[in-house]
Amino acid sequence: NAGVTQTPKFRVLKTGQSMTLLCAQDMNHEYMYWYRQDPGMGLRLIHYSVGEGTTAKGEVPDGYNVSRLKKQNFLLGLESAAPSQTSVYFCAISLIGGKGETQYFGPGTRLLVL
Amino acid sequence: AQKVTQAQTEISVVEKEDVTLDCVYETRDTTYYLFWYKQPPSGELVFLIRRNSFDEQNEISGRYSWNFQKSTSSFNFTITASQVVDSAVYFCALSGERRIKAAGNKLTFGGGTRVLVKP
Repeated sequence: NAGVTQTPKFRVLKTGQSMTLLCAQDMNHEYMYWYRQDPGMGLRLIHYSVGEGTTAKGEVPDGYNVSRLKKQNFLLGLESAAPSQTSVYFCAISLIGGKGETQYFGPGTRLLVL
Repeated sequence: AQKVTQAQTEISVVEKEDVTLDCVYETRDTTYYLFWYKQPPSGELVFLIRRNSFDEQNEISGRYSWNFQKSTSSFNFTITASQVVDSAVYFCALSGERRIKAAGNKLTFGGGTRVLVKP
């Protein structure tokens, strides 16, 4: 998984609660991504970062905020959780080489919003 | 817009049978990249292969092989002599070329194909 860790592994929230998911990497990667995976579906991009201090919206950014104050950490925040945000969240980094780049994923965080 | 279609939602085979997973993609990019990832029951996503659009050579890795057909926009994956450990959901994905450093490079995923290998 290219040295990508995610915290926590599993969390249960009540509607309206807030929480922050942490993605950490120790190999100085520039590019980091947050995806969500819903049952029976592939992953969809929420937000991404191309370097320390930068973030940008992906395909499904509503209801989420992100920050990348340190290069090693990419945080995904839910300010007011909703049942529709029940999902598995994956963080990824990009490794560039061989005339292209490949994304490697962390182990995932399973979130249940009641 | 990019799109990846995996028409087979679930495939069930008996051990040692071959299984082929279909992947059809749509993109307007002239340079693009295709991927296969494996998601075993434990839930992590494991990278299997990346194919660059400008390299049409097919690839074999052990019991895995991939057939890239640019003319039909397909990138199919075959598992030969399947084993129980091959039971997983397999995702095909597509990305474009990163034109500038400051741009993201989204992966567009298909819906996945669940492969169940019975002993």
